[in-house]
Amino acid sequence: EVQLLESGGGLVQPGGSLRLSCVASEFTFSNHAMAWVRQAPGKGLEWVSGISDAGARTYYADSVKGRFTISRDNPKNTLYMQLDSLRVEDTAVYYCARDLPGFDVWGQGTTVTVSS
Amino acid sequence: SFDLTQPLSVSVALGQTARISCVGNYIGINSVHWYQQKPGQSPILVIHTDNKRPSGIPERLSGSKSGNTATLTISRVEAGDEADYYCQVWDISAGLFGTGTKVTVL
Repeated sequence: EVQLLESGGGLVQPGGSLRLSCVASEFTFSNHAMAWVRQAPGKGLEWVSGISDAGARTYYADSVKGRFTISRDNPKNTLYMQLDSLRVEDTAVYYCARDLPGFDVWGQGTTVTVSS
Repeated sequence: SFDLTQPLSVSVALGQTARISCVGNYIGINSVHWYQQKPGQSPILVIHTDNKRPSGIPERLSGSKSGNTATLTISRVEAGDEADYYCQVWDISAGLFGTGTKVTVL
């Protein structure tokens, strides 16, 4: 079964850092662009970042530009998101998704809570 | 700015038709995708590239587009269609989701 599994979320203080991971299985990871999407508690979906299949091109929402860094390791079938200078408003469930186009496969999400 | 506006909520009687609009500049020149999300679950892609259904999505769900408005239509609404629905566009260097619509089945 095609699957994405995120990890790395947790509780962090404002200004802190986290590294999220997303492991892909049962599809050719290196053939697909990928993305991170987040959802704050009780709010809608927000696209955060995207990366091309080979990793040469990366894209960011204005709200995270300069603070978050997306990357991938194709031999390890893994997508990453480095979250730095975290703010309270970054609190959300973070999903990784395969970009078909259209995000056709989603992980179960990992929760990031930024609080003092 | 590039925003995608959806109605906050749509109520529909069982067996009737629900239509959810998504309005935004540049919708006419970008592919629109639609997602269904039920409470506590990850989103599911239900329509991609304006009007294409992924495998496993019933024909009751369809997508269309005219000018700067995209529409998701759910025919013969079932209780299981009650969920939040989001439109989404990828515009050159950024993705964008609509504001989301809660569909309530009466």
